[in-house]
Amino acid sequence: GESVGLHLPTLSVQEGDNSIINCAYSNSASDYFIWYKQESGKGPQFIIDIRSNMDKRQGQRVTVLLNKTVKHLSLQIAATQPGDSAVYFCAENNNQGGKLIFGQGTELSVKP
Amino acid sequence: DSGVTQTPKHLITATGQRVTLRCSPRSGDLSVYWYQQSLDQGLQFLIQYYNGEERAKGNILERFSAQQFPDLHSELNLSSLELGDSALYFCASSVAGFDEQFFGPGTRLTVL
Repeated sequence: GESVGLHLPTLSVQEGDNSIINCAYSNSASDYFIWYKQESGKGPQFIIDIRSNMDKRQGQRVTVLLNKTVKHLSLQIAATQPGDSAVYFCAENNNQGGKLIFGQGTELSVKP
Repeated sequence: DSGVTQTPKHLITATGQRVTLRCSPRSGDLSVYWYQQSLDQGLQFLIQYYNGEERAKGNILERFSAQQFPDLHSELNLSSLELGDSALYFCASSVAGFDEQFFGPGTRLTVL
């Protein structure tokens, strides 16, 4: 069935350290992947995306890695800050229109 | 602020009732998406409209319906409400139908 799963439901890191959030997806036909950040009481906020013809994409302090061989996606946050504390979702688009399939989410907690 | 607006912010109603949630997409976006977020189901895609036409459908209940109007705003109608319909309902929009989706702040529905 369709599923996008996260390996760790919670992640606690020290301020200034790097964070890595992982995600597994099941549909090899998916060609577009997105990471969203959701703060309490707010809607998901786009962080970074990647298409299946790439294996790495970098943004400001964030990097997304895509390994199609093992159907794995990761989000790396450099120099994690307290403002990065939130729930992070990976999502995939498997060519069913604009339908996004979301993972269960990982809660990132940054300790000062 | 994503540019996507949703009203109302909160809605409290009783079982068996019908409600309408409203969404205005970002200026220039033709596609509108509806998602439901609950504690046990996570973020679930409901339906997508592109320029007034239904584009993709998820596990949307028959009691739920949506439409996109000529001015591109969208409404999600929920009828014969049950306790289990209590959730956050998010609208998202994108320029086309396969690109970055921007989420609104959500409508929190409580069914008593």
